[in-house]
Amino acid sequence: GENVEQHPSTLSVQEGDSAVIKCTYSDSASNYFPWYKQELGKGPQLIIDIRSNVGEKKDQRIAVTLNKTAKHFSLHITETQPEDSAVYFCAASPPSQGNLIFGKGTKLSVKP
Amino acid sequence: NAGVTQTPKFQVLKTGQSMTLQCAQDMNHEYMSWYRQDPGMGLRLIHYSVGAGITDQGEVPNGYNVSRSTTEDFPLRLLSAAPSQTSVYFCASSYFDSNTEAFFGQGTRLTVV
Repeated sequence: GENVEQHPSTLSVQEGDSAVIKCTYSDSASNYFPWYKQELGKGPQLIIDIRSNVGEKKDQRIAVTLNKTAKHFSLHITETQPEDSAVYFCAASPPSQGNLIFGKGTKLSVKP
Repeated sequence: NAGVTQTPKFQVLKTGQSMTLQCAQDMNHEYMSWYRQDPGMGLRLIHYSVGAGITDQGEVPNGYNVSRSTTEDFPLRLLSAAPSQTSVYFCASSYFDSNTEAFFGQGTRLTVV
C-alpha cells in the first residue's frame, strides 16, 4: 500500500523566514495531495491541496509543489509568522485504497 | 452548521471496559473516517465509510467496530479497552470521497488504565 514519508519532524525558523516541508510517496497512482495544519488541542484543518495534473499551487504565503516523476511534494511557507506555529501533515490519496494516507507530521516553531 | 461533532472530548476507561465514541456531521457528507493520533505516529486510519450502510477497515482496525446506519452518524466502538488504545481519536468527513477536503472534529482524548 501507499507509504508517505515526511521530513523534517521538527523545524524552527525566525519570524519572516521561509519554511519548507517535504514529503515523498510510494504509489505512483496517487492523485491527490493535501496539506493539513493542526493547532494545539484542535483537529487538523486543510490549508492547501494539489492534484496530480498540476505542478504548483499558491495561496498567499503558502505554496505546494509536486514532482510526479520523483514522487515528492513540498509545502512552502514564506514570511512566516508566529501564528504559523503548528504541526503540519502531508497526505496522499491512492485510488486503490480509497482513503488518505498521512505522513507523521512536522512541528513548525516560528520564533518572534 | 456545526461541522463535525465528536463526543466526549475526554474519557478515562478501565482495561476491559467498552465504550462508544460518537461522531456526527451536518454537512451531508458521504465519506466519513476515524483516525487515531499517537506521538510520532501521525494520523492512522482505523475505519472508514463511503456512505450509509458501507464500512471498511483502515490501517489499524483491530479492537474497534463501526457502523453507518445514517449519513450523519459514524460511531466508533471499543469492544474491550486496552492500554494500547490510549490515544487521541479524530473523526473526519468529506463531501464525496478521500479526494476531497476532509473536515475533522475536535478529537476525543482517551486514556485506558
